[in-house]
Amino acid sequence: AIQMTQSPSSLSASVGDRITITCRASQGILNDLGWYQQRPGEAPNLLIYSASTLQSGVPSRFSGSGFGTDFTLTISSLQPEDFATYYCLHDHTYPYTFGQGTKLEIK
Amino acid sequence: QVQLVESGGGVVQPGRSLILSCGASGFTFSGYSFHWVRQAPGKGLEWVAVMSHDGVNKYYGDSVRGRITVSRDNSKNTVYLQMNSLRAEDTAVYYCAKDREMFAVGEVDYWGQGTLVTVSS
Repeated sequence: AIQMTQSPSSLSASVGDRITITCRASQGILNDLGWYQQRPGEAPNLLIYSASTLQSGVPSRFSGSGFGTDFTLTISSLQPEDFATYYCLHDHTYPYTFGQGTKLEIK
Repeated sequence: QVQLVESGGGVVQPGRSLILSCGASGFTFSGYSFHWVRQAPGKGLEWVAVMSHDGVNKYYGDSVRGRITVSRDNSKNTVYLQMNSLRAEDTAVYYCAKDREMFAVGEVDYWGQGTLVTVSS
């Protein structure tokens, strides 16, 4: 199975900061990667698909990039509602696998 | 409005079986693949299984393969996850989620709120 290594596992930042989260695949996955946000007690929410396409309704401060093995999620200016846990998920081959998650906390 | 509602969770003894259901509304159910994803308490997300829109293609995660079966009833807009030989490590919230595109299997967009399965004697 393809392994997804996500970093950092946790991150402290302030409202207005720009942050980046990375995911590295153990083998090439083209652009078959999505990013999800999960707030405590809630189901995950799709932010980005195909590595860089913004899901409908998601604010433009979220962006994704990457191809092959290295991917990034960037939030350009953190808002209070962005403090949550973020996961990457590849859909290149079966089984799909998630990254370990990045918990974004308020500094 | 897309809605996915899981049910069937609860406390079950190790070694027993359980069937989870996921009822869907607000979209053309028969055109979409469905995934199951689980999350152990305080842990990350784990992809469990997927089933194509027509029920023909099914794929499972490594940790559950051989113990679980996914199925669907397009006449009832419902997907199912049957879990056998349950273990303590299967304790988790189980989410069903639909694929983003019709007649494809790719990324997940909408998720249900999940149902908690607790495996304990």
